[in-house]
Amino acid sequence: DTAVSQTPKYLVTQMGNDKSIKCEQNLGHDTMYWYKQDSKKFLKIMFSYNNKELIINETVPNRFSPKSPDKAHLNLHINSLELGDSAVYFCASSSTSGRAINEQFFGPGTRLTVL
Amino acid sequence: AQSVTQLDSHVSVSEGTPVLLRCNYSSSYSPSLFWYVQHPNKGLQLLLKYTSAATLVKGINGFEAEFKKSETSFHLTKPSAHMSDAAEYFCVVSANSGYSTLTFGKGTMLLVSP
Repeated sequence: DTAVSQTPKYLVTQMGNDKSIKCEQNLGHDTMYWYKQDSKKFLKIMFSYNNKELIINETVPNRFSPKSPDKAHLNLHINSLELGDSAVYFCASSSTSGRAINEQFFGPGTRLTVL
Repeated sequence: AQSVTQLDSHVSVSEGTPVLLRCNYSSSYSPSLFWYVQHPNKGLQLLLKYTSAATLVKGINGFEAEFKKSETSFHLTKPSAHMSDAAEYFCVVSANSGYSTLTFGKGTMLLVSP
């Protein structure tokens, strides 16, 4: 009954490879997010989707491409991985209506290591 | 535009003593404010939130925070630290709009010694 789940939890890969991280939420939320947490623990928004539409796209290299097949899923595909992509990636979700506006629920994170 | 400043990167306390983690914010809008906690190698868990109701907010595990608009502060406190409180704490601000963008502070590492 995990609220926000991500797979895989750990991802180790070589430079230049392409990889995907999957996220699913079972909270009935209409908005989902991807965050990147760097080695200094700083968290920064990358993307946000509302009802499968992209609404926030921070200055992220276009090697990163989010895809939302439906409201409950937001996947992150990364092409041509670079050393600097090594980080922990968090998925989150929230509702844009009701009492819990703005409260985001986070997944457990995916630790990506690029060698 | 919005921003968050967590005034201490590390705070060390002894078990059983009070905890104070300081946070100042700026926001062009009437903000929502949150504290999240991250235990080592874990995800983020919401401790408490302020969304323009009572200015003193109580959260989980005995934590509370007070919203002070005049001081643009939202400090996190706990009367008595427990060893299990050792973790990274993030103060977060969000504009009160539907598509909320959370802006995170840089985090405060709370260390609790026996």
